Amino acid sequence: GENVEQHPSTLSVQEGDSAVIKCTYSDSASNYFPWYKQELGKRPQLIIDIRSNVGEKKDQRIAVTLNKTAKHFSLHITETQPEDSAVYFCAANQAGTALIFGKGTTLSVSS
Amino acid sequence: GAVVSQHPSRVICKSGTSVKIECRSLDFQATTMFWYRQFPKQSLMLMATSNEGSKATYEQGVEKDKFLINHASLTLSTLTVTSAHPEDSSFYICSAREDGEQFFGPGTRLTVL
Repeated sequence: GENVEQHPSTLSVQEGDSAVIKCTYSDSASNYFPWYKQELGKRPQLIIDIRSNVGEKKDQRIAVTLNKTAKHFSLHITETQPEDSAVYFCAANQAGTALIFGKGTTLSVSS
Repeated sequence: GAVVSQHPSRVICKSGTSVKIECRSLDFQATTMFWYRQFPKQSLMLMATSNEGSKATYEQGVEKDKFLINHASLTLSTLTVTSAHPEDSSFYICSAREDGEQFFGPGTRLTVL
């Protein structure tokens, strides 16, 4: 089955800096790679996703890149703000199967 | 996006009792729903895949006789934690797929005393 590794587990940045979180996956059949933001005690919120037919996707300050050959995908947050502080999860799956999550990254943005 | 609800949002029970958690897709039909468990400061771990009208598929290490899943309709899946113990205390989250995206319920915080 799919296995998703996520790094780093914690990340501290200054407000305005960029943050990058990286994930690798094991199943070459996976074709959907979402990123979620989760606040304490709440459900994960989808912030951006990418499918395997695309190499990069951007939405304002957030971007995701995918390298299918290396089975890597990354989340990039630019101009970080204190409200970006949360736990971020990457995930992967193929059509019809459940999402498998990475272990999460706790992002702290200090002002 | 599609809406998934869960009930209850929070439950406290005594050790040895059973607890039922409901997961509903409110504005779409879901032939497949997924149940996850999340311990504090950990990730979402897939417990089982719930299929409407058939038996659930459990992940390795998840006891099917302890975590009973029923998916009797296209909008409702239930997870029953039988003979709950303190180590079952966790955040249980369901999700359902629509148009290739997985939508999550708000979660149920289970505390077993």
